[in-house]
Amino acid sequence: EPEVTQTPSHQVTQMGQEVILRCVPISNHLYFYWYRQILGQKVEFLVSFYNNEISEKSEIFDDQFSVERPDGSNFTLKIRSTKLEDSAMYFCASSSDSKQFFGPGTRLTVL
Amino acid sequence: GENVEQHPSTLSVQEGDSAVIKCTYSDSASNYFPWYKQELGKGPQLIIDIRSNVGEKKDQRIAVTLNKTAKHFSLHITETQPEDSAVYFCASEGGSQGNLIFGKGTKLSVKP
Repeated sequence: EPEVTQTPSHQVTQMGQEVILRCVPISNHLYFYWYRQILGQKVEFLVSFYNNEISEKSEIFDDQFSVERPDGSNFTLKIRSTKLEDSAMYFCASSSDSKQFFGPGTRLTVL
Repeated sequence: GENVEQHPSTLSVQEGDSAVIKCTYSDSASNYFPWYKQELGKGPQLIIDIRSNVGEKKDQRIAVTLNKTAKHFSLHITETQPEDSAVYFCASEGGSQGNLIFGKGTKLSVKP
């Protein structure tokens, strides 16, 4: 069964450093999403991506964040200058219709 | 924007009993309501979903009901098993591009 994959599973970084989180969506899906989940809290929408451009973004997704689909398979989230409060689980999701399938997540720890 | 409220935050049941989790949403234009199960250290797993043109949907031991007039929907798990123990999230489709707005989650514990 096809699934969304994410790398790395855990990323530790120093405050102010740039990080790139990687995702490989399900191959025939056209819609891609990033969500985050701070420990013990609910899943929060960050950004949606379709047809090689951002289609919607939340207030969390400020100028420090960017997304890219550099080739036909990868979908990345970049945080330019990490802050302590960026520590969270980051989930990628993809869909071909309304059903969104989530990856296992990347745990980002900012020290 | 859309807001989703979920209750209860924790739920403990005996194996074999039923469990019910309830959610309300605010945006009457919302048309899609999925439920996700999240086990410790894993990503949310879609377990069932319902669209606004349907009042109830069932898949084996899991069912979801939707009352569009009252803007609430519920997850029903019958004959619970220890492996049903997890955090369950309801969600509503919040934007025109399908982004999901999640509830705060319900931690379900099924005691053997």
